[in-house]
Amino acid sequence: QQQVKQSPQSLIVQKGGISIINCAYENTAFDYFPWYQQFPGKGPALLIAIRPDVSEKKEGRFTISFNKSAKQFSLHIMDSQPGDSATYFCAASGTWGNKLVFGAGTILRVKS
Amino acid sequence: DTGVSQDPRHKITKRGQNVTFRCDPISEHNRLYWYRQTLGQGPEFLTYFQNEAQLEKSRLLSDRFSAERPKGSFSTLEIQRTEQGDSAMYLCASSSWDDNEQFFGPGTRLTVL
Repeated sequence: QQQVKQSPQSLIVQKGGISIINCAYENTAFDYFPWYQQFPGKGPALLIAIRPDVSEKKEGRFTISFNKSAKQFSLHIMDSQPGDSATYFCAASGTWGNKLVFGAGTILRVKS
Repeated sequence: DTGVSQDPRHKITKRGQNVTFRCDPISEHNRLYWYRQTLGQGPEFLTYFQNEAQLEKSRLLSDRFSAERPKGSFSTLEIQRTEQGDSAMYLCASSSWDDNEQFFGPGTRLTVL
């Protein structure tokens, strides 16, 4: 029940295209859903996050779509750039100390 | 404040040795978290502190692991009698008590030979 399942494992997108990464969760007590970006040898960097009271949140080229009934959420990267090439992690947390449960990650490669 | 810092960035040790890592959180954050990340996986929660109190420990945190945050500021994570399976990136994150946003440090890469 604590798992967050992420897909795809890897993704190749052309420059200017849309990158879409999906996550699903089981535990309905989760109430905070962030996305992190990680470059090799670096710590994860918070990109954008959403709570279940909204269905979509947009910040620049990054959009989270959230479907509470399906217990799914996704990250859309519009106008993908080579500099977006990184590993992306979805995560979830509840009210029990806010520890994050992470997905397994998606390796994104944007081809120029 | 430049964010969460961790020291050292890399540590190579021989099996059986003890190692200690340090984390300095963002100064106004009173929650501090430790995670472990192995190659190709997402970070896994180890433990967290609110001020100096250690409020939760994962089952991943065997009795060879101990974490402290003595004055509610920096934290240390010690691994005793290291094993090759301890090789991983150890990540520290911090947050405010009233905010879910966790900000991660650059991590300490541990290699146990």
